[in-house]
Amino acid sequence: QVQLQESGPGLVKPSQTLSLTCTVSGGSITSGSYYWSWIRQSAGKGLEWIGRIHARGSTNFNPSLKSRVTLSVDTPKNQFSLNLRSVTAADTAVYFCARVDMYYYYYMDVWGKGTTVTVSS
Amino acid sequence: ETVLTQSPGTLSLSPGERATLSCRATQSVSSNYLAWYQQKPGQAPRLLIYGTSTRATGIPDRFSGSGSGTDFTLTINKLEPEDFAVYYCQQYGGSPTFTFGPGTKVDL
Repeated sequence: QVQLQESGPGLVKPSQTLSLTCTVSGGSITSGSYYWSWIRQSAGKGLEWIGRIHARGSTNFNPSLKSRVTLSVDTPKNQFSLNLRSVTAADTAVYFCARVDMYYYYYMDVWGKGTTVTVSS
Repeated sequence: ETVLTQSPGTLSLSPGERATLSCRATQSVSSNYLAWYQQKPGQAPRLLIYGTSTRATGIPDRFSGSGSGTDFTLTINKLEPEDFAVYYCQQYGGSPTFTFGPGTKVDL
């Protein structure tokens, strides 16, 4: 059973880079027709998709965040990562990683528990 | 960009009642690319329905999805106490991007 676990600093200073890693266990990040995504949720708000990456490295991003986001994958470590540059208080949120099944139907079937990131000096 | 609207914002019901949640898109959505999630406080979203009407593994059959084009519905028959949560619809579309609706809270 595939499980995902987010990790990274819980506090980031304004204008700096938010960096998170998602570790995949119970399966290979290279298997199947899967992409790997980041989604965030601000306090009391809805879900915002950040972007997705395939194990071969292809990426797609939310247009509203595209200029500040980098996604990468480390297949030997079975991890994928998010870098969000020039953060402000508006980037304070719970960040989730998720597996995206894109074989035929497109949906996020496995989620990490989420990690809270606060942007503050 | 396709925007999803969910209604109502809050649905106040009692256990045993039926919940009908609406998700409306500003552009036509492929039925293959419409999904529903349940989220409880402090938890990650949980996949309920994908491809508009296919229940995810382990999801009880009181949950059902329907719809096409720009109008989609999640129905929960005979609400159980554990069903009180927030429900989000999600679509995949051009750009290519995923977008989520703002959510419907099913409240006691």
